[in-house]
Amino acid sequence: DGGITQSPKYLFRKEGQNVTLSCEQNLNHDAMYWYRQDPGQGLRLIYYSQIVNDFQKGDIAEGYSVSREKKESFPLTVTSAQKNPTAFYLCASSGRWASTDTQYFGPGTRLTVL
Amino acid sequence: GQQVMQIPQYQHVQEGEDFTTYCNSSTTLSNIQWYKQRPGGHPVFLIQLVKSGEVKKQKRLTFQFGEAKKNSSLHITATQTTDVGTYFCAGPQGTNAGKSTFGDGTTLTVKP
Repeated sequence: DGGITQSPKYLFRKEGQNVTLSCEQNLNHDAMYWYRQDPGQGLRLIYYSQIVNDFQKGDIAEGYSVSREKKESFPLTVTSAQKNPTAFYLCASSGRWASTDTQYFGPGTRLTVL
Repeated sequence: GQQVMQIPQYQHVQEGEDFTTYCNSSTTLSNIQWYKQRPGGHPVFLIQLVKSGEVKKQKRLTFQFGEAKKNSSLHITATQTTDVGTYFCAGPQGTNAGKSTFGDGTTLTVKP
């Protein structure tokens, strides 16, 4: 897991509720990422943060929000505005914001909307 | 925008057979990374290729980066049941250094 933890592992939510997914890393990495994975598909970037107190929208940011108040933490909130939130959510980090830096992934959170 | 395509989407092999997955980018890549995701798990970094025409080996796995730096392949010799999983390639999105585009992956199943 490379020092990245995500909680909870499984999460169930009712429609219309906001929910926050936790992501913590102890690797002293500057960059952090949130991805969404749907069955049989690749990873789609939701939000990313190059450095603490900064974050940018990825390719599918609508209905999601993030914060990066601490270097080690990058929580993701799935809001009620997200039309199809059931998916596998993966958090990742890399040492620097650079194309050559490896991304280390957490174990993921499986979110199911009931 | 940039697209990264992988083929095949699924591959079923008998244990001992070889396996190859191909990755093609719509744009030239500065580098390409390969990840493996076991069933129910998360992606784990395998390797990075940077140079045009580069070939790297990890035991039974051989990775190649095309001369034009727009395509790559992963070849597994004599597959084993431990090779089961989904293999993803990823390339940086142009000048936005840390953003990567992932292919949809190739899912490998191995029949013992």
